[in-house]
Amino acid sequence: GAGVSQSPSNKVTEKGKDVELRCDPISGHTALYWYRQRLGQGLEFLIYFQGNSAPDKSGLPSDRFSAERTGESVSTLTIQRTQQEDSAVYLCASSSGHSGETQYFGPGTRLLVL
Amino acid sequence: QQQVKQSPQSLIVQKGGISIINCAYENTAFDYFPWYQQFPGKGPALLIAIRPDVSEKKEGRFTISFNKSAKQFSLHIMDSQPGDSATYFCAATTTGRRALTFGSGTRLQVQP
Repeated sequence: GAGVSQSPSNKVTEKGKDVELRCDPISGHTALYWYRQRLGQGLEFLIYFQGNSAPDKSGLPSDRFSAERTGESVSTLTIQRTQQEDSAVYLCASSSGHSGETQYFGPGTRLLVL
Repeated sequence: QQQVKQSPQSLIVQKGGISIINCAYENTAFDYFPWYQQFPGKGPALLIAIRPDVSEKKEGRFTISFNKSAKQFSLHIMDSQPGDSATYFCAATTTGRRALTFGSGTRLQVQP
């Protein structure tokens, strides 16, 4: 079936504006992750959803960042009052939710804050 | 203690050579160590993974060597090919936590 999809693929915004990034996980995957990848760096964990459990928000860098997920479907990552340091690729991954499962990544959303 | 340190930052290897990328960790609770391969403009894709109950795992030309006492693990790419040119990330996690802690990445270039 289809892999993880993300939209938009690219987003340019002005400092101070809010942005919403969308992730469509692989059908049937109960676990969904958001990561951030700054230019030339590794991926930083942001937030993790597993079924109906409370999300693990331990990686969110500030209260300007939030995410929602409805059931086991689409997730939206929202960044309020964007700053230039928010410029990065935001990657979504999903997995089956079992121990040791593979995380399948989407192509990412490239966010540029001017 | 969550950090995973990866080296080298970049690597140039001739076609047919062996590429070696190293990672070290501090958190002894880590129990799953995957390697991801990322091509430009794409998301990372799982290449190979290992658990600490074995010291080596081989899949085709790719081998993970794991040293639990030294808290180090490495990726070996045998007979490196130009198509292997990509950025490689090591990662680690605990079964309970699930979220991956990534290394900083190694940009591999295999010259024809």
